[in-house]
Amino acid sequence: NAGVTQTPKFQVLKTGQSMTLQCAQDMNHEYMSWYRQDPGMGLRLIHYSVGAGITDQGEVPNGYNVSRSTTEDFPLRLLSAAPSQTSVYFCASTPRQGTDTQYFGPGTRLTVL
Amino acid sequence: EDKVVQSPLSLVVHEGDTVTLNCSYEVTNFRSLLWYKQEKKAPTFLFMLTSSGIEKKSGRLSSILDKKELFSILNITATQTGDSAVYLCAVANAGGTSYGKLTFGQGTILTVHP
Repeated sequence: NAGVTQTPKFQVLKTGQSMTLQCAQDMNHEYMSWYRQDPGMGLRLIHYSVGAGITDQGEVPNGYNVSRSTTEDFPLRLLSAAPSQTSVYFCASTPRQGTDTQYFGPGTRLTVL
Repeated sequence: EDKVVQSPLSLVVHEGDTVTLNCSYEVTNFRSLLWYKQEKKAPTFLFMLTSSGIEKKSGRLSSILDKKELFSILNITATQTGDSAVYLCAVANAGGTSYGKLTFGQGTILTVHP
């Protein structure tokens, strides 16, 4: 098993550009989530999904969209990048909602100029 | 709104010292508390605590939860330079649409000098 994979590892964008951060897991986990990590602020939940076709907002959803067309994939879309979205983004999965131990991907470091 | 506060925010010790990291929380419907270690990449799972007063141990690391006072501590004895990392505390919510969602604290940066 590859676990949770994320691409790209690094990305630099200009303000106003859009892009998609990819996340995939091969463990057949139902529950997937996206976090951003900023210095001194821990991890903050952006969006999450309890299964294919179902998504919901977390703590900081503005400026981001998600979809979950398959169990394996959970992409995060930045619609119009802003410097405030400069951060490290982590995708995580867990076997089912309520199984609290989450498995994290390696992260994507995003810089918006 | 669920809230997790960790203290101290940073800590510098020497090898062999014992450290105690604190985590206090407010959550509408508590399910569990988790500790993660993060070494410049993805967080890795350490412990999950659901019951008060029961210590979880793994080698030199141990953790305990107090559900009455709403806090947890993570102890590391005989610290080593390899313990240098950010330690994250998170709580899982059991209620309604928040079921299973994790709220993280700010993290404690631990630096262990030789």
